[in-house]
Amino acid sequence: KAGVTQTPRYLIKTRGQQVTLSCSPISGHRSVSWYQQTPGQGLQFLFEYFSETQRNKGNFPGRFSGRQFSNSRSEMNVSTLELGDSALYLCASSLVGQGANTEAFFGQGTRLTVV
Amino acid sequence: AQRVTQPEKLLSVFKGAPVELKCNYSYSGSPELFWYVQYSRQRLQLLLRHISRESIKGFTADLNKGETSFHLKKPFAQEEDSAMYYCALGGGSNYKLTFGKGTLLTVNP
Repeated sequence: KAGVTQTPRYLIKTRGQQVTLSCSPISGHRSVSWYQQTPGQGLQFLFEYFSETQRNKGNFPGRFSGRQFSNSRSEMNVSTLELGDSALYLCASSLVGQGANTEAFFGQGTRLTVV
Repeated sequence: AQRVTQPEKLLSVFKGAPVELKCNYSYSGSPELFWYVQYSRQRLQLLLRHISRESIKGFTADLNKGETSFHLKKPFAQEEDSAMYYCALGGGSNYKLTFGKGTLLTVNP
């Protein structure tokens, strides 16, 4: 079966712009989570969606937002980009939610560079 | 608050030697522990989880609640084990994983 697909793979944006990243989960998975990965901070949880509802949110400013559609596809948006938002953004899907002793399947990530 | 500590950023061993990647956690509830691995140019993937008590690719990990540890071990390292290893903590119904900063394992021939 097809894995988690993230688009685009690479993005270059200018400070102050906004960006939207997309994630298509594995078919049948209803939980989608987003993580930011940077060399300094490692993998940090952004938010998790299940059946179009956000169930948890990490400690990120309000410029970071997300949503999930009825087909479980998810998007995350970052507004007013800052240089520090440059990172690899990873999406992960699972059947019922991560940490519930279920396996999380990760996408290959979107590499965002803010200049 | 959930916290995961992997004290070694880098670990280098020779082929055939035993390897242990350390992981300590902090969590007030009932923890769910995982090891994820990322091989070069591949996506992050699950290696094993504590509840399964399984051995994957020769790796095992035992949850020690007294020491709040979940160390990953393999008796004889192989070159193909070279990768980035992340310990992750989940718990309850917060639906997130808290990751350690990872340990880069290099197995030399």
